[in-house]
Amino acid sequence: AQKVTQTQTSISVMEKTTVTMDCVYETQDSSYFLFWYKQTASGEIVFLIRQDSYKKENATVGHYSLNFQKPKSSIGLIITATQIEDSAVYFCAMRENYAQGLTFGLGTRVSVFP
Amino acid sequence: EAAVTQSPRNKVTVTGGNVTLSCRQTNSHNYMYWYRQDTGHGLRLIHYSYGAGNLQIGDVPDGYKATRTTQEDFFLLLELASPSQTSLYFCASSEEDWVYAEQFFGPGTRLTVL
Repeated sequence: AQKVTQTQTSISVMEKTTVTMDCVYETQDSSYFLFWYKQTASGEIVFLIRQDSYKKENATVGHYSLNFQKPKSSIGLIITATQIEDSAVYFCAMRENYAQGLTFGLGTRVSVFP
Repeated sequence: EAAVTQSPRNKVTVTGGNVTLSCRQTNSHNYMYWYRQDTGHGLRLIHYSYGAGNLQIGDVPDGYKATRTTQEDFFLLLELASPSQTSLYFCASSEEDWVYAEQFFGPGTRLTVL
C-alpha cells in the first residue's frame, strides 16, 4: 500500500527567498508517479508539478522544481523567488501503477511575508 | 483548462438526513473522483468512475454511494448522513486514468451533519 508523509506542518519565509519542503513516500511498486498540488486560502486545489519514478532528472515547472532522491524515497518541492501569492498549503501525492487514485500527504502550510 | 463545478457549495443537514452532492465537468474527461478532506487525514478517495454508468470503490467508501449519469455528471449520495461525514468534499476529473494524468479539482462542498 502506498503512503505519503509530510513532516513539516508549516514554514514561514520572506518574499523573494527560496522555500523547500519535504515529502517521503512508501511503495512496493517499481513504477510510480509523484505529484505536488497547492491548496489556496479559498480552498482551490491546483496541480503544480509531477515526477515520474523512472526519470532521473528532477522536474521543473516555472519557479517550482523537485528534488527527487529515489534511494531515500524522497520528493522535495523547491519554490524559488517566492511571492506573497505562494502562501498556501502544499500537498505531496503519489500514485502507483495500478492504484485507484492519488494518496495524499497531510500538507505543509507555507506563509510568505513581505 | 478543465472546468469542474460542484453544488451546493455549503450544506447543513441533520443526522439521518439524505444528501446529494453534485459535480459537473465540462472538458470531456472520462475519469471523475470524489474525495473528502479532513484535518489530520488529508484528502481521501471515496469513489471514482471511468465513464457513464461505471462506479469504482475508493479507500473510504463506507456510508457513501455514487452515481455517474453522464460523462459530465457525477453524484455523491449520503442516504443516512452521520456527524462523522461532516467534511469538505472535492470532486476531481482527469482525461484518462493514466497514472501520470493530473487531476483537476472542483471548488469543494462543505457538508455539516448536525
